[in-house]
Amino acid sequence: DTAVSQTPKYLVTQMGNDKSIKCEQNLGHDTMYWYKQDSKKFLKIMFSYNNKELIINETVPNRFSPKSPDKAHLNLHINSLELGDSAVYFCASRVSSVTDTQYFGPGTRLTVL
Amino acid sequence: DQQVKQNSPSLSVQEGRISILNCDYTNSMFDYFLWYKKYPAEGPTFLISISSIKDKNEDGRFTVFLNKSAKHLSLHIVPSQPGDSAVYFCAARRGAGGTSYGKLTFGQGTILTVHP
Repeated sequence: DTAVSQTPKYLVTQMGNDKSIKCEQNLGHDTMYWYKQDSKKFLKIMFSYNNKELIINETVPNRFSPKSPDKAHLNLHINSLELGDSAVYFCASRVSSVTDTQYFGPGTRLTVL
Repeated sequence: DQQVKQNSPSLSVQEGRISILNCDYTNSMFDYFLWYKKYPAEGPTFLISISSIKDKNEDGRFTVFLNKSAKHLSLHIVPSQPGDSAVYFCAARRGAGGTSYGKLTFGQGTILTVHP
């Protein structure tokens, strides 16, 4: 039973296209995140939602728009894809607590040609 | 400006020996630190954590040490096993409790290879 799932696992697309990545967690967690792992391997937070409310919004181009239809889902939509958007995108979730154990999905490898 | 750094891109260790992975940070506001382990084509999985009020936390073969004055933490794995071969990420959180909303800053990872 997958705790945090992402679809698709791989995404290859042309520059200028619009694409979405979906994330679902069945852990009952309140908070969900999107991270980007770039070519230098750093994992950097992009967005976070707590109970469907946006609470973290890092310096990310506004071509990236997260959407949380409910507490268990956090999707990432990317408009006008650019070469530099190629990366692995990870979704994560966390139960609100004093610790910050986050549970990650398997990642979506996005390649923009 | 990387606030969390893992300066060793890779580490190779013999099975049964100790693996020591290091992590340095610059932000004195970090109050909670975590280690994650990542296998290829999978997401990171939580390994062990430590609060800034402690200097050591142990869980089985894994021990994390925190030296606040040096802004340094390390993960010790004893004894190392081939199944421990993975990328290890250090992460740090600023703030306390729910107000931080879990914003973690990650290092770039260290590839650990444990040889049989």
